[in-house]
Amino acid sequence: DQQVKQNSPSLSVQEGRISILNCDYTNSMFDYFLWYKKYPAEGPTFLISISSIKDKNEDGRFTVFLNKSAKHLSLHIVPSQPGDSAVYFCAATSNYQLIWGAGTKLIIKP
Amino acid sequence: DSGVTQTPKHLITATGQRVTLRCSPRSGDLSVYWYQQSLDQGLQFLIQYYNGEERAKGNILERFSAQQFPDLHSELNLSSLELGDSALYFCASSPRDTFRHSSNTGELFFGEGSRLTVL
Repeated sequence: DQQVKQNSPSLSVQEGRISILNCDYTNSMFDYFLWYKKYPAEGPTFLISISSIKDKNEDGRFTVFLNKSAKHLSLHIVPSQPGDSAVYFCAATSNYQLIWGAGTKLIIKP
Repeated sequence: DSGVTQTPKHLITATGQRVTLRCSPRSGDLSVYWYQQSLDQGLQFLIQYYNGEERAKGNILERFSAQQFPDLHSELNLSSLELGDSALYFCASSPRDTFRHSSNTGELFFGEGSRLTVL
């Protein structure tokens, strides 16, 4: 039972354009939603989070939107840069656990 | 550099064998989490320790066990290894205990992982 789903295994975006990564969830009791970024041969690093009581959180080029009625989360990166090429994981907190999506590989094209 | 250290980085062993993965958390962090990432999968939570005590268990097999020592480093023991145990094993640390804590946004600090290959 996948409580957090990232349905796009990969996404290719032109440098300078907007990257939009999507995530769907099934559990309405999640407290926080997070995005992590992972480069090859490294562990995931925290990018940005949003509380379940908010609908938007912004940090520089990164904005996370939460649509609770649709149980949908998205990460916008504007403008996309070559260093943004990585695997992005969506995750959600529930009691003692952090529930992870399978990840989306973002490729930024020059 | 997250401050979390995992050893070994790579490990190749045979089926039926036993291995130990080691993790040193960030200075001051009391929680250690272990995750397994199989090919093209998300991170599967295995187990969490907080200040030496087991706090939560996820999808950890009975062949696997872990502990956290008084100096807060942790070890994950994998025994009777099978081909399907080949994966990346990540350790993460956090200063906090439960994600239910009101200020705990879920940020974990990950090590670089230990890649286990079972032949």
